[in-house]
Amino acid sequence: GENVEQHPSTLSVQEGDSAVIKCTYSDSASNYFPWYKQELGKRPQLIIDIRSNVGEKKDQRIAVTLNKTAKHFSLHITETQPEDSAVYFCAASRVDSSYKLIFGSGTRLLVRP
Amino acid sequence: DGGITQSPKYLFRKEGQNVTLSCEQNLNHDAMYWYRQDPGQGLRLIYYSQIVNDFQKGDIAEGYSVSREKKESFPLTVTSAQKNPTAFYLCASSLAGGMQYFGPGTRLTVL
Repeated sequence: GENVEQHPSTLSVQEGDSAVIKCTYSDSASNYFPWYKQELGKRPQLIIDIRSNVGEKKDQRIAVTLNKTAKHFSLHITETQPEDSAVYFCAASRVDSSYKLIFGSGTRLLVRP
Repeated sequence: DGGITQSPKYLFRKEGQNVTLSCEQNLNHDAMYWYRQDPGQGLRLIYYSQIVNDFQKGDIAEGYSVSREKKESFPLTVTSAQKNPTAFYLCASSLAGGMQYFGPGTRLTVL
């Protein structure tokens, strides 16, 4: 079935360093890839998304890259700050009749001051 | 985010009891979803609905039921057939094919 694998499960970086989280998807028809940030006990919040007709998208310190051939996409956070500490989830879906999002298992990011 | 509400925030269920979790949105979104999140885990899809009076099972529908009588509302019932219901339940909504926005969640605990 459809599957999204996410790595690493935990990531610890020094404040100011960059963080990279990688996801691989199995459904070659997937064409929408959002990233969510979830703080402890809170709802997931969309931070950036990308569609399959684009290879890279940036929003200030956050960027997402997509490699359709290899079926993987990555989240890049530069100049990390303590408030970036949270769990990050990738997801993939087909934007057709189903709208279903398949989520990765999450990455717990810790930014050390 | 403020356009999607869930209630209650905390819910306690006794053995053999059915409970219903509420989800309401005023964003005029067509699609609504229910996810379950266990501690330290990702989100798993329970049910989803693309239009009123229609819904589909997700990956873990057993022991759950839903209804979609109004566009704004998508309640989830956790039945006694769900043997391990303790989890964080998240509702989401979206326009057709668009990004999903999540509600604040309901934390369900079995006593």
